[in-house]
Amino acid sequence: EVQLVESGGNLIQPGGSLRLSCAASGFIVSSNYMSWVRQAPGKGLEWVSIIYPGGGTYYAGSVKDRFSISRDNSKNTLYLQMNSLRGEDTALYYCARGVTMIIGNGLDVWGQGTTVTVSS
Amino acid sequence: QSALTQPASVSGSPGQSITISCTGTSSDVGGYNYVSWYQQHPGEAPKLMIYGVTNRPSGVSNRFSGSKSGNTASLTISGLQAGDEADYYCSSYTSTGTLYVIFGGGTRLTVL
Repeated sequence: EVQLVESGGNLIQPGGSLRLSCAASGFIVSSNYMSWVRQAPGKGLEWVSIIYPGGGTYYAGSVKDRFSISRDNSKNTLYLQMNSLRGEDTALYYCARGVTMIIGNGLDVWGQGTTVTVSS
Repeated sequence: QSALTQPASVSGSPGQSITISCTGTSSDVGGYNYVSWYQQHPGEAPKLMIYGVTNRPSGVSNRFSGSKSGNTASLTISGLQAGDEADYYCSSYTSTGTLYVIFGGGTRLTVL
């Protein structure tokens, strides 16, 4: 079964760091473009970051230079390293798989999400 | 950069058809055939319903269809069912600003 399972979300103080993980099964992470998307409480979806099979990475301006997407091919796992966290980063974070190799063309497999709360 | 524009809510009766619009610019919806639509039920992850403007992933009912004209994309749901009641989001590749992917603000579909 094709599946994504996120973990690592927590309550963290402003300025702190957190690393989210997304374990994949049923497909190979490094052969697909993988994305992180977040959803603030009661709000809509917001794209965060993408990593391509070749390793190329892209970020939304709101997280650029603070967040870093990566993967561990041996563990078939995607990561999101989040530094200098702010209150506006509070959200449910989803990892998702690109349906094609074209950025922005759709995400067909989603995890259940992991919650990040940034508060003192 | 502003989100794509969707109506906040739409409604319809069982069996009817409804259409949700998604308006952007020539730098996103109008400039590329990379529009996708997602369905999200409360407490659940989004589900891809349409990608590449008109394509349905395997397993998605053919009651769902997508189209685009100019800077506006549309999702049409025919033969409305109670289970279609959910939030719907459009998304597109964008070539401006500090984003590569932009979402709409979401539309709440109520089945009367």
